[in-house]
Amino acid sequence: DSGVTQTPKHLITATGQRVTLRCSPRSGDLSVYWYQQSLDQGLQFLIQYYNGEERAKGNILERFSAQQFPDLHSELNLSSLELGDSALYFCASSVARTSYGYTFGSGTRLTVV
Amino acid sequence: GEDVEQSLFLSVREGDSSVINCTYTDSSSTYLYWYKQEPGAGLQLLTYIFSNMDMKQDQRLTVLLNKKDKHLSLRIADTQTGDSAIYFCAESISNAGNMLTFGGGTRLMVKP
Repeated sequence: DSGVTQTPKHLITATGQRVTLRCSPRSGDLSVYWYQQSLDQGLQFLIQYYNGEERAKGNILERFSAQQFPDLHSELNLSSLELGDSALYFCASSVARTSYGYTFGSGTRLTVV
Repeated sequence: GEDVEQSLFLSVREGDSSVINCTYTDSSSTYLYWYKQEPGAGLQLLTYIFSNMDMKQDQRLTVLLNKKDKHLSLRIADTQTGDSAIYFCAESISNAGNMLTFGGGTRLMVKP
């Protein structure tokens, strides 16, 4: 157990729907990162939050949004889902804004049908 | 721009050494990392090297960095069947916050 908890582990939903993925960072970590892993794109950075504020943005679609709450857990919201959004979504956490080497959760596998 | 490349597949015999290679393009990389992903699991940080270092050793793992050629390698000594996994190299760049750019991963298969 890495200490980073992601729920749910698996999610199957239909095109056009909206889902929320949840991440609880390791105890004491203030930064949360979201990554998408797909067969064709590999691992892509989506977004980073540090202590509740957005810190960095990567290849995140406008249909996707995220936030980090006062208790430091984070949620990734995916809306108007398309078949191509099917992927593994990983959350990772680190202590500071620019800590080297994050700790990853075990991911949420999203299947859009 | 950033681009990290790895070969797709490596097969070795148990007890042999494995060498996984990675090339990157951004010369302003600050840290370079190796992560391991086992089936159904997240990515586990194995080791990292700061860009002003040439080599780092950690038990069975040796990381070599050739900054001139932008080449990074991970050597696993005495490879075991439990080392079978996908290995990702990644770089972080000082002016890009703490974002990591990953390579496509190398699948290591260890035959008994």
